[in-house]
Amino acid sequence: AQKITQTQPGMFVQEKEAVTLDCTYDTSDQSYGLFWYKQPSSGEMIFLIYQGSYDEQNATEGRYSLNFQKARKSANLVISASQLGDSAMYFCAMREGMDSSYKLIFGSGTRLLVRP
Amino acid sequence: DADVTQTPRNRITKTGKRIMLECSQTKGHDRMYWYRQDPGLGLRLIYYSFDVKDINKGEISDGYSVSRQAQAKFSLSLESAIPNQTALYFCATSDRRTGELFFGEGSRLTVL
Repeated sequence: AQKITQTQPGMFVQEKEAVTLDCTYDTSDQSYGLFWYKQPSSGEMIFLIYQGSYDEQNATEGRYSLNFQKARKSANLVISASQLGDSAMYFCAMREGMDSSYKLIFGSGTRLLVRP
Repeated sequence: DADVTQTPRNRITKTGKRIMLECSQTKGHDRMYWYRQDPGLGLRLIYYSFDVKDINKGEISDGYSVSRQAQAKFSLSLESAIPNQTALYFCATSDRRTGELFFGEGSRLTVL
Protein backbone atom coordinates (compact mmCIF):
# COMPACT_ATOMS: atom_id res chain seq x y z
CA ALA A 1 0.00 0.00 0.00
CA GLN A 2 1.15 3.50 -0.76
CA LYS A 3 2.43 5.31 2.27
CA ILE A 4 2.36 8.75 0.72
CA THR A 5 -0.41 9.65 -1.70
CA GLN A 6 -0.60 12.73 -3.85
CA THR A 7 -3.83 12.48 -5.82
CA GLN A 8 -3.32 15.51 -8.07
CA PRO A 9 -0.91 14.73 -10.93
CA GLY A 10 -1.29 18.27 -12.23
CA MET A 11 -2.85 21.56 -11.16
CA PHE A 12 -3.29 25.06 -12.49
CA VAL A 13 -3.52 28.25 -10.46
CA GLN A 14 -3.85 31.87 -11.43
CA GLU A 15 -0.99 34.12 -10.46
CA LYS A 16 -1.51 35.81 -7.06
CA GLU A 17 -4.10 33.26 -5.97
CA ALA A 18 -3.63 30.62 -3.27
CA VAL A 19 -3.40 26.93 -4.07
CA THR A 20 -3.54 23.76 -1.98
CA LEU A 21 -1.61 20.64 -2.91
CA ASP A 22 -2.95 17.49 -1.28
CA CYS A 23 -0.97 14.84 0.54
CA THR A 24 -2.19 11.94 2.63
CA TYR A 25 0.02 9.49 4.46
CA ASP A 26 -0.19 6.15 6.16
CA THR A 27 1.83 5.18 9.19
CA SER A 28 1.40 3.42 12.50
CA ASP A 29 4.33 5.26 14.05
CA GLN A 30 3.59 7.85 16.71
CA SER A 31 6.68 9.85 15.83
CA TYR A 32 7.11 10.85 12.21
CA GLY A 33 7.86 13.87 10.08
CA LEU A 34 6.36 15.30 6.94
CA PHE A 35 8.19 17.31 4.30
CA TRP A 36 7.47 19.16 1.11
CA TYR A 37 10.04 19.60 -1.63
CA LYS A 38 9.90 21.62 -4.82
CA GLN A 39 11.52 20.53 -8.06
CA PRO A 40 11.69 23.23 -10.75
CA SER A 41 12.30 22.36 -14.37
CA SER A 42 16.04 22.64 -13.77
CA GLY A 43 15.79 19.45 -11.72
CA GLU A 44 17.16 20.29 -8.28
CA MET A 45 15.22 19.37 -5.16
CA ILE A 46 14.45 22.30 -2.88
CA PHE A 47 13.25 21.83 0.69
CA LEU A 48 10.17 23.92 1.48
CA ILE A 49 8.69 23.00 4.83
CA TYR A 50 8.70 20.43 7.64
CA GLN A 51 6.07 19.30 10.15
CA GLY A 52 6.80 16.99 13.04
CA SER A 53 4.03 14.71 14.23
CA TYR A 54 4.13 16.21 17.71
CA ASP A 55 4.09 19.80 16.54
CA GLU A 56 0.83 21.34 17.66
CA GLN A 57 0.90 24.26 15.30
CA ASN A 58 0.92 24.09 11.54
CA ALA A 59 4.31 24.84 10.05
CA THR A 60 4.77 28.02 8.04
CA GLU A 61 7.65 29.27 5.93
CA GLY A 62 6.98 32.54 4.16
CA ARG A 63 4.27 31.93 1.56
CA TYR A 64 4.21 28.20 2.34
CA SER A 65 2.14 26.65 5.08
CA LEU A 66 1.41 23.05 5.90
CA ASN A 67 -2.18 22.22 6.81
CA PHE A 68 -1.57 19.30 9.16
CA GLN A 69 -4.63 17.25 10.07
CA LYS A 70 -3.34 14.36 12.12
CA ALA A 71 -6.59 12.48 12.57
CA ARG A 72 -7.18 12.54 8.83
CA LYS A 73 -3.51 11.78 8.11
CA SER A 74 -3.22 14.66 5.73
CA ALA A 75 -0.44 17.20 5.27
CA ASN A 76 -1.52 19.57 2.54
CA LEU A 77 0.77 22.32 1.27
CA VAL A 78 -0.77 25.74 0.89
CA ILE A 79 0.99 28.29 -1.29
CA SER A 80 -0.36 31.79 -0.88
CA ALA A 81 -0.11 34.53 -3.51
CA SER A 82 1.21 32.23 -6.26
CA GLN A 83 4.04 33.48 -8.41
CA LEU A 84 5.16 32.37 -11.86
CA GLY A 85 8.30 30.93 -10.28
CA ASP A 86 6.15 28.53 -8.26
CA SER A 87 5.55 26.48 -11.41
CA ALA A 88 7.27 23.19 -10.59
CA MET A 89 6.82 19.64 -9.37
CA TYR A 90 5.99 19.35 -5.68
CA PHE A 91 6.71 16.25 -3.64
CA CYS A 92 5.35 15.31 -0.26
CA ALA A 93 7.53 12.98 1.83
CA MET A 94 7.33 11.23 5.17
CA ARG A 95 10.14 10.33 7.52
CA GLU A 96 9.69 6.69 8.38
CA GLY A 97 11.48 4.62 10.97
CA MET A 98 12.00 4.36 14.67
CA ASP A 99 14.61 6.21 16.69
CA SER A 100 17.29 7.38 14.32
CA SER A 101 16.93 4.63 11.74
CA TYR A 102 14.78 6.66 9.45
CA LYS A 103 14.46 7.30 5.75
CA LEU A 104 12.18 9.45 3.64
CA ILE A 105 9.40 8.00 1.51
CA PHE A 106 8.10 10.20 -1.31
CA GLY A 107 4.78 10.61 -3.05
CA SER A 108 4.47 10.62 -6.82
CA GLY A 109 4.32 14.40 -7.01
CA THR A 110 2.03 17.17 -8.25
CA ARG A 111 2.94 19.38 -11.17
CA LEU A 112 1.81 22.95 -10.55
CA LEU A 113 1.50 25.46 -13.34
CA VAL A 114 0.95 29.11 -12.45
CA ARG A 115 -0.88 31.08 -15.13
CA PRO A 116 -0.13 34.79 -15.63
CA ASP B 1 30.26 25.09 -4.28
CA ALA B 2 27.39 22.68 -3.68
CA ASP B 3 27.25 20.89 -0.33
CA VAL B 4 26.34 17.62 -2.08
CA THR B 5 28.12 17.00 -5.37
CA GLN B 6 27.28 14.30 -7.87
CA THR B 7 29.37 13.18 -10.84
CA PRO B 8 28.72 12.74 -13.66
CA ARG B 9 25.73 15.04 -14.14
CA ASN B 10 24.80 13.38 -17.40
CA ARG B 11 25.80 10.02 -18.84
CA ILE B 12 24.76 8.02 -21.84
CA THR B 13 25.84 4.40 -21.90
CA LYS B 14 25.01 1.12 -23.55
CA THR B 15 23.29 -1.97 -22.22
CA GLY B 16 25.67 -4.21 -20.32
CA LYS B 17 28.18 -1.53 -19.39
CA ARG B 18 29.28 -0.91 -15.81
CA ILE B 19 28.48 2.56 -14.53
CA MET B 20 29.45 4.32 -11.32
CA LEU B 21 27.77 7.45 -10.02
CA GLU B 22 29.74 9.27 -7.37
CA CYS B 23 28.58 11.48 -4.55
CA SER B 24 30.55 13.58 -2.11
CA GLN B 25 29.33 15.91 0.62
CA THR B 26 30.72 18.66 2.79
CA LYS B 27 27.81 18.87 5.24
CA GLY B 28 29.39 16.52 7.74
CA HIS B 29 26.32 14.29 7.82
CA ASP B 30 26.61 10.61 8.67
CA ARG B 31 23.61 9.61 6.63
CA MET B 32 23.65 9.32 2.87
CA TYR B 33 21.09 8.06 0.40
CA TRP B 34 20.64 7.21 -3.26
CA TYR B 35 17.25 7.78 -4.86
CA ARG B 36 15.97 7.23 -8.34
CA GLN B 37 13.33 9.44 -9.99
CA ASP B 38 11.07 8.26 -12.78
CA PRO B 39 8.18 10.28 -14.24
CA GLY B 40 4.94 9.62 -12.34
CA LEU B 41 6.66 7.56 -9.66
CA GLY B 42 8.33 10.19 -7.54
CA LEU B 43 11.60 9.33 -5.83
CA ARG B 44 12.32 5.77 -4.82
CA LEU B 45 15.03 4.74 -2.40
CA ILE B 46 17.78 2.50 -3.77
CA TYR B 47 20.29 2.30 -0.90
CA TYR B 48 21.07 4.22 2.24
CA SER B 49 23.93 4.35 4.71
CA PHE B 50 23.95 5.60 8.29
CA ASP B 51 27.72 5.45 8.60
CA VAL B 52 30.72 3.98 6.83
CA LYS B 53 30.05 0.47 8.16
CA ASP B 54 26.29 0.54 7.75
CA ILE B 55 24.71 -0.05 4.33
CA ASN B 56 21.03 -0.81 3.82
CA LYS B 57 18.90 -1.77 0.85
CA GLY B 58 16.01 0.44 -0.11
CA GLU B 59 12.87 -0.53 -1.98
CA ILE B 60 14.51 -0.93 -5.41
CA SER B 61 18.06 -2.19 -4.80
CA ASP B 62 18.07 -4.99 -7.40
CA GLY B 63 20.62 -4.29 -10.12
CA TYR B 64 22.49 -1.74 -8.00
CA SER B 65 25.34 -1.80 -5.49
CA VAL B 66 26.90 0.90 -3.35
CA SER B 67 30.14 1.69 -1.61
CA ARG B 68 30.66 4.06 1.31
CA GLN B 69 34.32 4.88 0.93
CA ALA B 70 34.37 7.53 3.64
CA GLN B 71 31.92 9.57 5.65
CA ALA B 72 31.80 12.08 2.83
CA LYS B 73 31.63 9.69 -0.13
CA PHE B 74 28.90 7.33 -1.27
CA SER B 75 28.94 5.82 -4.75
CA LEU B 76 26.28 3.93 -6.67
CA SER B 77 27.18 1.26 -9.23
CA LEU B 78 25.23 -0.42 -11.97
CA GLU B 79 27.20 -3.58 -12.70
CA SER B 80 25.48 -4.27 -16.00
CA ALA B 81 23.25 -1.40 -17.05
CA ILE B 82 19.88 -2.07 -18.69
CA PRO B 83 17.52 0.38 -20.45
CA ASN B 84 14.95 0.45 -17.63
CA GLN B 85 17.63 1.93 -15.39
CA THR B 86 17.37 5.09 -17.45
CA ALA B 87 16.39 7.68 -14.84
CA LEU B 88 17.43 10.71 -12.83
CA TYR B 89 19.50 9.67 -9.82
CA PHE B 90 19.83 11.74 -6.68
CA CYS B 91 22.29 11.46 -3.85
CA ALA B 92 21.25 13.02 -0.55
CA THR B 93 22.44 13.48 2.99
CA SER B 94 20.22 13.98 5.98
CA ASP B 95 20.01 16.01 9.11
CA ARG B 96 20.01 13.70 12.13
CA ARG B 97 17.38 15.63 14.06
CA THR B 98 14.59 16.04 11.54
CA GLY B 99 15.54 13.76 8.72
CA GLU B 100 15.50 16.60 6.19
CA LEU B 101 17.28 15.55 3.03
CA PHE B 102 19.85 17.70 1.30
CA PHE B 103 20.08 16.71 -2.33
CA GLY B 104 22.76 16.77 -4.93
CA GLU B 105 21.94 18.23 -8.32
CA GLY B 106 21.11 14.85 -9.81
CA SER B 107 22.74 12.55 -12.36
CA ARG B 108 20.77 11.88 -15.50
CA LEU B 109 21.57 8.40 -16.80
CA THR B 110 20.46 7.08 -20.18
CA VAL B 111 21.00 3.42 -21.02
CA LEU B 112 20.62 2.61 -24.70
